Amino acid sequence: NAGVTQTPKFRILKIGQSMTLQCAQDMNHNYMYWYRQDPGMGLKLIYYSVGAGITDKGEVPNGYNVSRSTTEDFPLRLELAAPSQTSVYFCASSYSVRGEQFFGPGTRLTVL
Amino acid sequence: ILNVEQSPQSLHVQEGDSTNFTCSFPSSNFYALHWYRWETAKSPEALFVMTLNGDEKKKGRISATLNTKEGYSYLYIKGSQPEDSATYLCASPSGGGADGLTFGKGTHLIIQP
Repeated sequence: NAGVTQTPKFRILKIGQSMTLQCAQDMNHNYMYWYRQDPGMGLKLIYYSVGAGITDKGEVPNGYNVSRSTTEDFPLRLELAAPSQTSVYFCASSYSVRGEQFFGPGTRLTVL
Repeated sequence: ILNVEQSPQSLHVQEGDSTNFTCSFPSSNFYALHWYRWETAKSPEALFVMTLNGDEKKKGRISATLNTKEGYSYLYIKGSQPEDSATYLCASPSGGGADGLTFGKGTHLIIQP
């Protein structure tokens, strides 16, 4: 099992550009999550999904969109990149509602 | 949004010493308490998920306790080793559990040889 995979590992964007951060898991988990990690701030939930076709906002959703067309994939879309979106982004999945979460390796995004 | 707090923010411990740190969370509407270990340049890995008041869990030299009535959990490391150096995160489900976790800011542990 590859677990949770994320691409790309690093990316530099210019203000106003758009991009999609990819996340996939091969553990057949229904629950998937996107977090961002800023220095000194801890992990913040951006969006989550409880199954294919179902997504909902987390604590910091502004400037992001997600989709969940399959159980395996949960991409995160940035439409108009802003410097405030410079962060490390982690995707995670879990088998059950309160079960441990498995994290991907992260994507480090810089917006200049 | 839950308020999950961890203390201390950082901790320097001599190799071989034992240590512990704290996670506090709202005691009302409790669902679960997660502990994760996060090494530099890696991603968080789960240590424990605890759900019952009085729960104690152990993995090797690391153990955790849970008090849901007063809203705190302790993580203990016995006989610290350099490989224990990491940031330790605690987290609690934000609502019913399906809406992700609210994380504390972590305790950054450095083991000095």
